[in-house]
Amino acid sequence: DGGITQSPKYLFRKEGQNVTLSCEQNLNHDAMYWYRQDPGQGLRLIYYSQIVNDFQKGDIAEGYSVSREKKESFPLTVTSAQKNPTAFYLCASSILVGYNEQFFGPGTRLTVL
Amino acid sequence: AQKVTQAQTEISVVEKEDVTLDCVYETRDTTYYLFWYKQPPSGELVFLIRRNSFDEQNEISGRYSWNFQKSTSSFNFTITASQVVDSAVYFCALRPPSSNTGKLIFGQGTTLQVKP
Repeated sequence: DGGITQSPKYLFRKEGQNVTLSCEQNLNHDAMYWYRQDPGQGLRLIYYSQIVNDFQKGDIAEGYSVSREKKESFPLTVTSAQKNPTAFYLCASSILVGYNEQFFGPGTRLTVL
Repeated sequence: AQKVTQAQTEISVVEKEDVTLDCVYETRDTTYYLFWYKQPPSGELVFLIRRNSFDEQNEISGRYSWNFQKSTSSFNFTITASQVVDSAVYFCALRPPSSNTGKLIFGQGTTLQVKP
């Protein structure tokens, strides 16, 4: 089945540690995105990528880093510089960066202790 | 400014009732796209509909219908004969073409609880 997978579903880390969230898609989409969701709020864009080896900052990129070495993969690293990393992280993809709808993965809930 | 407002934070209905979720947006663009997503308790956002600003026709899909009113900048979502499985958080989102990031601007979401 085509879709987006994110792993793990739940992640616990100690303060000060970097952590990498996985996102894989087999939809052959060019564009991929990372959003952050906090309780009772909408989603905010962290990073996006239009094509392989290219990515751009979104609204809240500070403390995060990404890579796009393969079309199907767009991992997100939450660094120790992120002041408040505990949140629900959602990865999405779309055919192109444009009007197309974005399809979302199941999300990773990160808790920093 | 680009903004989406979902004024209803939580709605609770009894099964089989009709329910309307409100969405009001702000944009200076003349061309834009509007979306509705459903987020069930599992967390994944499920795409429901995309609407182009030039197409003001209302749309119906089974028990779901959408009323797009450009004059009032609203894109409301109605569920007819609600079911328990409709319980979820619903997000309205705006995608203005002036934003070449492809970013969706989300409202804060409306939590719908359908009781049996």
